[in-house]
Amino acid sequence: AQSVTQPDIHITVSEGASLELRCNYSYGATPYLFWYVQSPGQGLQLLLKYFSGDTLVQGIKGFEAEFKRSQSSFNLRKPSVHWSDAAEYFCAGDGGTALIFGKGTTLSVSS
Amino acid sequence: DGGITQSPKYLFRKEGQNVTLSCEQNLNHDAMYWYRQDPGQGLRLIYYSQIVNDFQKGDIAEGYSVSREKKESFPLTVTSAQKNPTAFYLCASSASRQETQYFGPGTRLLVL
Repeated sequence: AQSVTQPDIHITVSEGASLELRCNYSYGATPYLFWYVQSPGQGLQLLLKYFSGDTLVQGIKGFEAEFKRSQSSFNLRKPSVHWSDAAEYFCAGDGGTALIFGKGTTLSVSS
Repeated sequence: DGGITQSPKYLFRKEGQNVTLSCEQNLNHDAMYWYRQDPGQGLRLIYYSQIVNDFQKGDIAEGYSVSREKKESFPLTVTSAQKNPTAFYLCASSASRQETQYFGPGTRLLVL
């Protein structure tokens, strides 16, 4: 069955440090993959998406993600984290009928 | 501005009561979705609709019902059969099934 896994429930990063959030997927064919961000009590905002082509995808707010077929991964990265990046991050993949979401990673930013 | 609106922001349900959550989009999207979000569970699909007058059950449809009479509207009813309705409900839409989904701001449902 298709699945999306986010191994880290909670990550704390110092402001200005680099960030990598992990996402693994289980799909037969090339999946459509997404990263969304959610602030408390809000809806989800799309950060970036991968459909095909270049495996390094640029998104909004300085985020990028790299699709690695050999590792079944689509990790989200940012070179320098800002306090405003503290939120919950969801990786999602096309599940055939709708998106399949990982359970999310909560990012805390320390000063 | 194009987007998705959900109302109300907070909704309180009494025992045995049905309540309806509103979702409207002006993006001219064909597909619409309802998700339930519980802490630590991610988002789980309740119902989806790929076209007007058609909808399908998702992973956790029991105790919920929907309608899709208009392209722009996809209301969700939480029935009295849903024994644990307290959650954050998110509506989304996309141009088609494999296109990017855009989300509304959510409705938090609480039980009195």
